[in-house]
Amino acid sequence: QKEVEQDPGPLSVPEGAIVSLNCTYSNSAFQYFMWYRQYSRKGPELLMYTYSSGNKEDGRFTAQVDKSSKYISLFIRDSQPSDSATYLCAMSGGGSNYKLTFGKGTLLTVNP
Amino acid sequence: DADVTQTPRNRITKTGKRIMLECSQTKGHDRMYWYRQDPGLGLRLIYYSFDVKDINKGEISDGYSVSRQAQAKFSLSLESAIPNQTALYFCATSDRGRIDTQYFGPGTRLTVL
Repeated sequence: QKEVEQDPGPLSVPEGAIVSLNCTYSNSAFQYFMWYRQYSRKGPELLMYTYSSGNKEDGRFTAQVDKSSKYISLFIRDSQPSDSATYLCAMSGGGSNYKLTFGKGTLLTVNP
Repeated sequence: DADVTQTPRNRITKTGKRIMLECSQTKGHDRMYWYRQDPGLGLRLIYYSFDVKDINKGEISDGYSVSRQAQAKFSLSLESAIPNQTALYFCATSDRGRIDTQYFGPGTRLTVL
């Protein structure tokens, strides 16, 4: 079993839809959970950052972490064509553990 | 100006050639990383450096070497390039106190013929 699993998609939705992106993981030591957004031909950029379980909201974006199920989600409300990108989940154990473990990314297209 | 810059942005080279990819950052971060990204394989860590005198191998370091010339500069070298090193290469930085949040450069697209 891979440490982080992420459905690669592609996922295509109409503008205004609610988008749900998900990752599962196997390492119970993970405490920090991130979502990166990567536009075509660009580097990943940090979108959301969550510590431990719970929800975090930032505008149209909500990140959820369920450590008991080893499952994280990113919700995008009122999706826009500008949200079209690849979304990568990432996680780490924190502390002296430098290492970020990435999912392979989900390609999202929001159609006008 | 961008906080993390990479040069060159695109490079085509031939098998056996030595290639150097350069990364510079103005974020003042101590930690720097080199990743490669391949379709279907995601981001994989090649090398990382916690400061100028601290260099560590990542999960796929074979065929690569690095040099941390200064806090702000971290170079990746392919001593003898081979076609399966064709990939998108990213440099990233992170702050000593926030090792979990990394900031990426724009990437270098390398093609080895």
